[in-house]
Amino acid sequence: SQTIHQWPATLVQPVGSPLSLECTVEGTSNPNLYWYRQAAGRGLQLLFYSVGIGQISSEVPQNLSASRPQDRQFILSSKKLLLSDSGFYLCAWSLSGNILGEKLFFGSGTQLSVL
Amino acid sequence: AQTVTQSQPEMSVQEAETVTLSCTYDTSESDYYLFWYKQPPSRQMILVIRQEAYKQQNATENRFSVNFQKAAKSFSLKISDSQLGDAAMYFCAYRDAGNMLTFGGGTRLMVKP
Repeated sequence: SQTIHQWPATLVQPVGSPLSLECTVEGTSNPNLYWYRQAAGRGLQLLFYSVGIGQISSEVPQNLSASRPQDRQFILSSKKLLLSDSGFYLCAWSLSGNILGEKLFFGSGTQLSVL
Repeated sequence: AQTVTQSQPEMSVQEAETVTLSCTYDTSESDYYLFWYKQPPSRQMILVIRQEAYKQQNATENRFSVNFQKAAKSFSLKISDSQLGDAAMYFCAYRDAGNMLTFGGGTRLMVKP
């Protein structure tokens, strides 16, 4: 069966520090991978998605970046965090291909607080 | 850009009663999918139900059903026989061929025992 792992669960970082959140998927090949951010009490905003190794699409311009060094690994990074980067970050995966009705499987999320 | 609107920030329902959560969306596409995701206190998102725009029959999954009104661009979720475990944030979402999944702002559902 497929599983998705996301870590860390919580993170407190000072403004200006770097960020690295990691997400890995097991039990499937060439998944589509996604990073979403959820601000407090609000919906999910798509940040990045990837359909393959090294292929990253950015939905929202910001100081965050994403990388996919391996087929089932998706990393969210920042060189210098801003206060506005605080939020709940969710990694998700779906089956490969552009399937409209695809179900997204979400990780357990990372609560990031930038102080 | 496609938008998804959930006009009810919070809803409450008595246990065993029925509740309907509203969702409207804006699109010029004819082929798309609509989804309802649930986010319990654990914060892990779970798919509840999905509906293809071309299908006239409303989707049903056990106690969960939708009322899909394509012309009105409305996609409401009905939860029958509400249970304490249904308490969560519910997000309506939209997807078409040109866009990734777009979520609404969510509705917090409280279930009273």
